[in-house]
Amino acid sequence: GIQVEQSPPDLILQEGANSTLRCNFSDSVNNLQWFHQNPWGQLINLFYIPSGTKQNGRLSATTVATERYSLLYISSSQTTDSGVYFCAVYSGGSNYKLTFGKGTLLTVNP
Amino acid sequence: DTGVSQDPRHKITKRGQNVTFRCDPISEHNRLYWYRQTLGQGPEFLTYFQNEAQLEKSRLLSDRFSAERPKGSFSTLEIQRTEQGDSAMYLCASSLVGETGAFFGQGTRLTVV
Repeated sequence: GIQVEQSPPDLILQEGANSTLRCNFSDSVNNLQWFHQNPWGQLINLFYIPSGTKQNGRLSATTVATERYSLLYISSSQTTDSGVYFCAVYSGGSNYKLTFGKGTLLTVNP
Repeated sequence: DTGVSQDPRHKITKRGQNVTFRCDPISEHNRLYWYRQTLGQGPEFLTYFQNEAQLEKSRLLSDRFSAERPKGSFSTLEIQRTEQGDSAMYLCASSLVGETGAFFGQGTRLTVV
């Protein structure tokens, strides 16, 4: 099956810093989602982005499907941005089953 | 609408007992999914429903696991004869076919002692 790799696995930032998280996938995908898992375990839907660039406040995402990667940008980070960021893809003709990466653990210090 | 709701949030059970979890999807969503997440890993797909029909089950879902979605509304996931290896976070998600991706609930954290 498709492999989803996220980097870096861990990231520590000072409040106010910017960061870029990367997601590589081993095969073509139908669609891609970015999630933020908060300390209580809930997965928050950030972006649904098969290609191109989307922005939502301080966050933006870019997917280059032909090169099999996606990037999540976080600007002016805040302590509430801490948590695990997951990339997940729909692949193999499926538009229902998500394959997740192992996530990037982001810690933002005050 | 308050999003996907799961109950209970936490469950501690003794090995060998049966447990049942409930998921209430976003009301207009016709697809409902169950995922399992263990420590340090991303969620793994277990099964999904389109309306009341269960259309795919992962090999992760052993015979001890069963899921239902009567009338295409809420869903239950039952684990019989629980084992310590079943300890995990069980996540439910829902979506509308062709739209905006999956939305997840808060999860049910199961601990088997």
